[in-house]
Amino acid sequence: EAGVTQFPSHSVIEKGQTVTLRCDPISGHDNLYWYRRVMGKEIKFLLHFVKESKQDESGMPNNRFLAERTGGTYSTLKVQPAELEDSGVYFCASSQERTGLRSETQYFGPGTRLLVL
Amino acid sequence: GDSVTQMEGPVTLSEEAFLTINCTYTATGYPSLFWYVQYPGEGLQLLLKATKADDKGSNKGFEATYRKETTSFHLEKGSVQVSDSAVYFCALSTGANNLFFGTGTRLTVIP
Repeated sequence: EAGVTQFPSHSVIEKGQTVTLRCDPISGHDNLYWYRRVMGKEIKFLLHFVKESKQDESGMPNNRFLAERTGGTYSTLKVQPAELEDSGVYFCASSQERTGLRSETQYFGPGTRLLVL
Repeated sequence: GDSVTQMEGPVTLSEEAFLTINCTYTATGYPSLFWYVQYPGEGLQLLLKATKADDKGSNKGFEATYRKETTSFHLEKGSVQVSDSAVYFCALSTGANNLFFGTGTRLTVIP
């Protein structure tokens, strides 16, 4: 079974440009999450999709970030315009449908390393 | 709010040494606790987890026990190998589905 994949693996852009990150979750996983790790700091939650709906976007830093999951399959995260502080590693994770109160295990992709110059 | 405090690194050990990476948490309710590992050039992998107090998670020789009284989930391994060199993240999840992570601890094991 294929794991979570992310594209691109690395991206270097200039301040003010636009970048779009893509995440393909494990097939059949309804839950999709985006996280970000800024240099040397903790990994922070950005948002959570259940199928195509945004369940929780409380971690999105500002309106320069736009996440979509059309059709409930893959997801994109667009940063427009990018700023220096957006540099970091963006992780995507997916999990199966939640059962009861138990949190399902999240499976992570390799991350996209974004550098804004 | 929910948070995880993790032992700062980096940690450098000789092969076959004993490993402890400390992790304490603050959470409302009853969180599930996790250790994730990131090997060089790879993504985060779930190493082990525990979902209730006194549970012990274990995998690949690593262990961690959910201690509610001390709000801790310390990671241990009796004898580390060079292949254990990686970054280790402690994390928790409560009623919401998102994970709260610590800052990560880089472990280097030298032969």
